[in-house]
Amino acid sequence: QKEVEQDPGPLSVPEGAIVSLNCTYSNSAFQYFMWYRQYSRKGPELLMYTYSSGNKEDGRFTAQVDKSSKYISLFIRDSQPSDSATYLCAMRGGTSGSRLTFGEGTQLTVNP
Amino acid sequence: GAGVSQSPSNKVTEKGKDVELRCDPISGHTALYWYRQSLGQGLEFLIYFQGNSAPDKSGLPSDRFSAERTGGSVSTLTIQRTQQEDSAVYLCASSFIRAVDEQYFGPGTRLTVT
Repeated sequence: QKEVEQDPGPLSVPEGAIVSLNCTYSNSAFQYFMWYRQYSRKGPELLMYTYSSGNKEDGRFTAQVDKSSKYISLFIRDSQPSDSATYLCAMRGGTSGSRLTFGEGTQLTVNP
Repeated sequence: GAGVSQSPSNKVTEKGKDVELRCDPISGHTALYWYRQSLGQGLEFLIYFQGNSAPDKSGLPSDRFSAERTGGSVSTLTIQRTQQEDSAVYLCASSFIRAVDEQYFGPGTRLTVT
């Protein structure tokens, strides 16, 4: 079983929709959570990171962490075609030190 | 400023040959990471260099893989006697030591072993 599970999709939504992307994890030592966006043939770019349970908002993006359920989410409001990319969750903590453990990534397409 | 750069962007090699992949981190970033991204596998940690400390090599899949970082800056990932299962995109990232959650990735090297 993978430490981090993420539905690879693909996920296709109309422009303006609210998108919900999710990851579950099994390692209770994970304390730090990130979301990366990766466009085709590019390296991942950091969108958000959060350390605590609850919500963190940045513009159209909201990251949510529920440590008791070992579940994290990324919400994208008013989705745009430019949001079409692969979204990867990542996390670290405990004996993993500074190394990140990534989910497989969810491929998102926002249709105009 | 300049981001993380990697070279070559694409590499095709024959099975059994050795390859070297290069990473130039962001200036001032003393932490450097190598990851591998395979279809359906997500990003897999390979190795981590943190300043002058001994590197964390726990993610290297076999002894055919090695990496070095010269002068605390440029890093080279070497794969000896390449196998077809080594085909993947190799990504390098860098960060400030005190900001390991803000890793900046390069564009990657796409390695194809024929």
